[in-house]
Amino acid sequence: SQQGEEDPQALSIQEGENATMNCSYKTSINNLQWYRQNSGRGLVHLILIRSNEREKHSGRLRVTLDTSKKSSSLLITASRAADTASYFCATEGDTGRRALTFGSGTRLQVQP
Amino acid sequence: DAGVTQSPTHLIKTRGQHVTLRCSPISGHKSVSWYQQVLGQGPQFIFQYYEKEERGRGNFPDRFSARQFPNYSSELNVNALLLGDSALYLCASSLLPSAGTYEQYFGPGTRLTVT
Repeated sequence: SQQGEEDPQALSIQEGENATMNCSYKTSINNLQWYRQNSGRGLVHLILIRSNEREKHSGRLRVTLDTSKKSSSLLITASRAADTASYFCATEGDTGRRALTFGSGTRLQVQP
Repeated sequence: DAGVTQSPTHLIKTRGQHVTLRCSPISGHKSVSWYQQVLGQGPQFIFQYYEKEERGRGNFPDRFSARQFPNYSSELNVNALLLGDSALYLCASSLLPSAGTYEQYFGPGTRLTVT
């Protein structure tokens, strides 16, 4: 079963605009990670934020985490056509199994 | 350095057949995890192996099995294939460090089609 839900399911923007994707999850976590997937290929790790962190930056990416609301957001600034992909959040639970539980993903289309 | 490699890239099988998928982790990584991604959905966890032992199993039937070899490569086996097994099968490797820094590196996947 999917841990969380990404919102929106699909997003279409123009090059240069910012893209914001949201993720909600259900259980307590050790960390939350964001991945990108191009055209049904392998997943590329973008950023990891730990449960005791609230915000993290990496290049044009900004991730926030609100553990009280069990939600996270991924902001891509100054988007490029090459950012077109599906984006997934994934959580590592804080009990037992050390596997990732993925959300259903946001399909981002950046128009040149 | 080579990333995670998977073989084959694509595979077409008939219902009822058996399939073996292979994965080689990044050099130095001792943990391998397998995920199934059905079209339009996020990946779902199948198995995790560390130091050749099963460390976790997702909600998949016994038709799915896996193993890890002394060189840390891994195989995923699926018996009695069903149409619903058609999916992208992803392998991920990691160092399995302490909690809170668990980053997995994914391979390109094997696209399995069951007809």
